[in-house]
Amino acid sequence: DTGVSQNPRHKITKRGQNVTFRCDPISEHNRLYWYRQTLGQGPEFLTYFQNEAQLEKSRLLSDRFSAERPKGSFSTLEIQRTEQGDSAMYLCASSLYPGQGVTGELFFGEGSRLTVL
Amino acid sequence: AQKVTQAQTEISVVEKEDVTLDCVYETRDTTYYLFWYKQPPSGELVFLIRRNSFDEQNEISGRYSWNFQKSTSSFNFTITASQVVDSAVYFCALSEANYGQNFVFGPGTRLSVLP
Repeated sequence: DTGVSQNPRHKITKRGQNVTFRCDPISEHNRLYWYRQTLGQGPEFLTYFQNEAQLEKSRLLSDRFSAERPKGSFSTLEIQRTEQGDSAMYLCASSLYPGQGVTGELFFGEGSRLTVL
Repeated sequence: AQKVTQAQTEISVVEKEDVTLDCVYETRDTTYYLFWYKQPPSGELVFLIRRNSFDEQNEISGRYSWNFQKSTSSFNFTITASQVVDSAVYFCALSEANYGQNFVFGPGTRLSVLP
């Protein structure tokens, strides 16, 4: 295991369907982040976990979005009743948080591209 | 609140020219971290450098150098003798130590290095 793994890499779905993405972080990393990136924009923060606890969720995040990290290892991001505006690249990243406010760098996966028709 | 501004949307240079990418940030925290990431055409974001707010020393790594100035809230990135392989989108990011600790990214600067 040398990096962050995301699947599926591509997902095409019809409006109204539910989709789920999975992220496997670097094994020793205790923090896991989800971002969304649309064409020509920077990554937009969605949520992050420290171990299994979800510590922060963007206020911009619709209640159709939910993320879990049940055992503090892999994470899933589910989008219910997808809309065309959800089409984007969903990025997962992990980092090591040694504590006391020290922030480690993020290591990103290759992303999961969602297209909603 | 955290904010990162990268005023240059796109830059084009000819190979071997030097180029500087600007990054200006806003933060309410006294302890924070600044980052630069590269996103090549393949799409995966690649970490380049991390800087904490207490370390204003400039850093050089090969053809890359970074200039951190707290007085102007800037963290600029210079590529010396640019190469075609440097063509990518470059993102500056900020993470506050005491407020949420999520990472906020700037909108990115697309660098095109022409042969």
